[in-house]
Amino acid sequence: QVQLVQSGSEVKKPGASVKVSCKASGYTFTNYAIHWVRQAPGQRLEWMGWINAGDGSTKYSRKFQDRVTITSDTSASTGYVELSSLTSEDTAVYYCVRDVTSGGSWYDVWGQGTLVTVSS
Amino acid sequence: DIQMTQSPSSLSASVGDRVTITCRASQSISNSLNWYQQKSGKAPQLLISVASTLQSGVPSRFSGSGSGTDFTLTISSLQPEDFATYYCQQGYSVPRTFGQGTKVEIK
Repeated sequence: QVQLVQSGSEVKKPGASVKVSCKASGYTFTNYAIHWVRQAPGQRLEWMGWINAGDGSTKYSRKFQDRVTITSDTSASTGYVELSSLTSEDTAVYYCVRDVTSGGSWYDVWGQGTLVTVSS
Repeated sequence: DIQMTQSPSSLSASVGDRVTITCRASQSISNSLNWYQQKSGKAPQLLISVASTLQSGVPSRFSGSGSGTDFTLTISSLQPEDFATYYCQQGYSVPRTFGQGTKVEIK
């Protein structure tokens, strides 16, 4: 079946970086985009950016532009998000989601989420 | 950035009730509006895309409507498994943005 499986929870100190992975299966990885969305405790969902897995092009939210990098490895059907200069405000569940690359935009497949905790 | 505002932020309803949630965009997004359901501790799930297209496997008691700036999610007869938080999201432009959520609780 179509699924996205993310890496496990992380605990990081302020100032550190974190890299979360998202392995896709059950579909042709390069036919879709992977977006990253996070949810801080009690907050709304927040879009971070996306990568077109077909051509590798990326687009980032201005809020994270300076410290986020989204990449993919097509040979492993895996997407990644790396966030640097972490602060306590980056404590959140991070989700990867699948999006079509043309004809609209909706997130029909979600990863299970990865909890990132930033604490000294 | 396009701001998405849902109302109400929470509601209490009984099984069998008809429930309506609204979502307003700060500018026209055509029909590029999606609805998700999130249960506690779980990832959101897509219910409706492009304002009114019901996803495969989603019960027909869910429906969506609207275009431009005003959208509605309706649950025609609330069931016990529908108690959750619902989010709207615009797919019109970057950055993608979500509403603040509507928590549907048991009355």
